[in-house]
Amino acid sequence: EIVLTQSPGTLSLSPGERATLSCRASQSVSSSYLAWYQQKPGQAPRLLIYGASSRATGIPDRFSGSGSGTDFTLTISRLEPEDFAVYYCQQYGSFPQTFGQGTKVEIK
Amino acid sequence: QVQLQESGPGLVKPSQTLSLTCTVSGGSISSGGYYWSWIRQHPGKGLEWIGYIYYSGSTYYNPSLKSRVTISVDTSKNQFSLKLSSVTAADTAVYYCAREDCSGGSCYSDYWGQGTLVTVSS
Repeated sequence: EIVLTQSPGTLSLSPGERATLSCRASQSVSSSYLAWYQQKPGQAPRLLIYGASSRATGIPDRFSGSGSGTDFTLTISRLEPEDFAVYYCQQYGSFPQTFGQGTKVEIK
Repeated sequence: QVQLQESGPGLVKPSQTLSLTCTVSGGSISSGGYYWSWIRQHPGKGLEWIGYIYYSGSTYYNPSLKSRVTISVDTSKNQFSLKLSSVTAADTAVYYCAREDCSGGSCYSDYWGQGTLVTVSS
């Protein structure tokens, strides 16, 4: 199965700053079938990005995804207070679908 | 707006079978184009895909759990269910049900239930 490694483990930033999160796959992700989710404490994950770069319905344009092959990035252009959370990447191009271990974005 | 809600016992004894049901509202399981999945999250850990089912009954399971997992669907009740047999403490987790959007050729989870904590303990 494809192993996804997210970095950094924790990102300490201030509101208004730019966040860059990385997701690296152990082998190429088929057809850029990569998604990003946001999870806040006590809540279910929320879909942000699918197909590596397509924003899900209702997701603000400060969230953007990029990448292909084995290297993918989630960028939050200007952090809002509600963006501090844990972010997971997921590949769904190879069976079984797998998730990264998460990156926590915390307030500095 | 599709909504999903998990239900079932919050405590299961070791060696017994964990059983959960997901009730879907705001859309029909039988509408096609979507799979319906179970995903779990161990306390303080990441996410693990368990498996999913199509309304026709076709299933796909994570090989790591395949020998113990059964997912079924009841279209008349707009529900799908998870059974995980021979549970141990390692199966203690928050269990989520989700809808899988497969319109792009492969499936990602676009709607999730709120999750239910299942603890395995005697």
